[in-house]
Amino acid sequence: EAQVTQNPRYLITVTGKKLTVTCSQNMNHEYMSWYRQDPGLGLRQIYYSMNVEVTDKGDVPEGYKVSRKEKRNFPLILESPSPNQTSLYFCASSLSAGVPLPQHFGDGTRLSIL
Amino acid sequence: AQSVTQPDIHITVSEGASLELRCNYSYGATPYLFWYVQSPGQGLQLLLKYFSGDTLVQGIKGFEAEFKRSQSSFNLRKPSVHWSDAAEYFCAVAFGNQFYFGTGTSLTVIP
Repeated sequence: EAQVTQNPRYLITVTGKKLTVTCSQNMNHEYMSWYRQDPGLGLRQIYYSMNVEVTDKGDVPEGYKVSRKEKRNFPLILESPSPNQTSLYFCASSLSAGVPLPQHFGDGTRLSIL
Repeated sequence: AQSVTQPDIHITVSEGASLELRCNYSYGATPYLFWYVQSPGQGLQLLLKYFSGDTLVQGIKGFEAEFKRSQSSFNLRKPSVHWSDAAEYFCAVAFGNQFYFGTGTSLTVIP
């Protein structure tokens, strides 16, 4: 089954404790992306990756890091989480054919930073 | 900066009634346009997309959307709403390799 898998689905942690949210897709997609969803703000793009070793900032990259060492994986790293990063996070992927194609979304990761 | 506006935060319709969800975008050229639906506790699912050509596009679950360049709009419609359509709906625009989403419209369907 084609899917985007995020882990963990839920996490409660404390300020300053480094965490990683993993994202994996099994569709051989080139394009992968991270979003955060906040009430009244919709989804905002954090980082995206066009292919292995190619990443770029989205609209709200501050406080986040990403890496793309393999095509299928695109982890989101919070080196020193803060309460304002409490949010619902989505990973998404799509084929990349020179045009922005529709994305497949994971089921989300709800992070609470205390 | 590019932006996407969904002016209706919440809409309530009766089952069987027609539905129109509004979306306006701010962008210099013809963008790539999408509508997604999000059911509670789940990720987003693509309803339909517009890249070029016919300005009326058909999607899944009986939805359609019309691109109007003069109004910078991409409104989503359904002629007869079902109770299972209750969800949150997001309009999205792609500019280059980046995606911009509206703030969403929450749809309630009453029997």
